[in-house]
Parts: sequence; structure tokens; C-alpha cells
Amino acid sequence: DIQMTQSPSSLSASVGDRVTITCRASQRISSYLNWYQQKAGKAPNPLIYAASSLQSGVPSRFSGSGSGTDFTLTINSLQPEDFATYYCQQSYTTPGTFGQGTKVEIK
Amino acid sequence: EVQLVESGGGLVKPGGSLRLSCAASGFTFSNAWMSWVRQAPGKGLEWVGRIKSKTDDGTTDYAAPVRGRFTISRDDSKNTLYLQMNSLKTEDTAVYYCASSSGWSSVYYYVMDVWGQGTTVTVSS
Repeated sequence: DIQMTQSPSSLSASVGDRVTITCRASQRISSYLNWYQQKAGKAPNPLIYAASSLQSGVPSRFSGSGSGTDFTLTINSLQPEDFATYYCQQSYTTPGTFGQGTKVEIK
Repeated sequence: EVQLVESGGGLVKPGGSLRLSCAASGFTFSNAWMSWVRQAPGKGLEWVGRIKSKTDDGTTDYAAPVRGRFTISRDDSKNTLYLQMNSLKTEDTAVYYCASSSGWSSVYYYVMDVWGQGTTVTVSS
């Protein structure tokens, strides 16, 4: 199985900050990388697919980049509603493994 | 409105069985790839398995921890996805989400673009 490793596991940031979360795959996955946001007690919400394509309705302050094994999710100008846990997921092959998550907290 | 609604969760003893359902509406269910994802208390997301649309051969794939114990099926006439869980273990305790991938890009890149609210399964004696 492909292992997905996110860093950091958590971070503290302020409203208006730029936040970067990285995700590394244990083998090359081309651009088959998706990002999800999950707020406490809620279902995940898709943000980015194919490494860099914004899901419909997602604010443009979210962006994704990378290919192969190394990927990045960037949130420009963090907003109060962005405090949540973020997961990467590889969709190159099954099982569609998730990263362990990155919790973005208020500083 | 595109919607997925899970049901069937509950408390079950180790070794027992449970069947979860996921009712879909607002999109062409028969064309969608459907998945189950679970989340143990306080833990991250874990992919459980997936069933393709019948037009894409309808095959299923499972994560290793559930392979041979869980079965995913679909009834396109009822717009419903199922997860039959047998030989349940305490480590299967989790919120179970169903999710859909519909539309060309969502299927091609296997993006789970609509999620249900989840149903809770507790395995305990």
C-alpha cells in the first residue's frame, strides 16, 4: 500500500496568515492527490483534486501543487472558517490511503 | 439537492454483523463510483472500500483490515449503497461515511466529492 505522510501534524496560525501543509507519498502517484477539509463533528469536504484543481465552490485562497511524491496545500490569508483538520489522499491506486491529518488551530 | 444519507449504525458485540445503508439523491447514482470511509474516535480518516459503477465493470476494492469481512454492494434501482460488515472487531468502532464520485473528473481522479453525515458503529461487549 502507498503510505501518505503529512507535515506538520498540527500548527497554530493567526487570521490572515499564509499556511502551508505538505504531503509525501511513499511512491510516485503522478498528480492523483486530493485534499479534504474536515471540521469538528462534520463530514470531510473536498478542496483540491488532481493535486492542483480547485473543487467547485472552494475559495481561491486555497491552492495545491506538486506531482510525483511531494505535494503542498497552501491557504493564503487564513480565515476564521478555515480552522479545521486537513487530509491528503492518494487516488493513484487502491486502497486510497489518507494522510494522518494536519490540524490548523487558532494562535 | 445532492445528498447522501447513511443509516444502520448501532451497538454490536464482537463477532457480530451489521449492514449499513446509504441512500443517494440529486444525482445519477448508477453512474457514480461509491466509497465507504471510516473514522475511529479521535483518529483520522481511513479508506474502507469502493464499488465502481456497473458501466465501469462494477468491481469492488477493499482495505486490508476489512477484506474478507466487509462487502460493498449497490442497488441502482433503489439508489442505495450498502456495507455488509461481518465478524466485527472492537477496532471497527468508528463513524462510517459513504461518499460519491460522479462526473467525469471525479471518477477519473477518484475524488469523493459528496459525503454523507456518517453513521456510528460501536463494537463492544
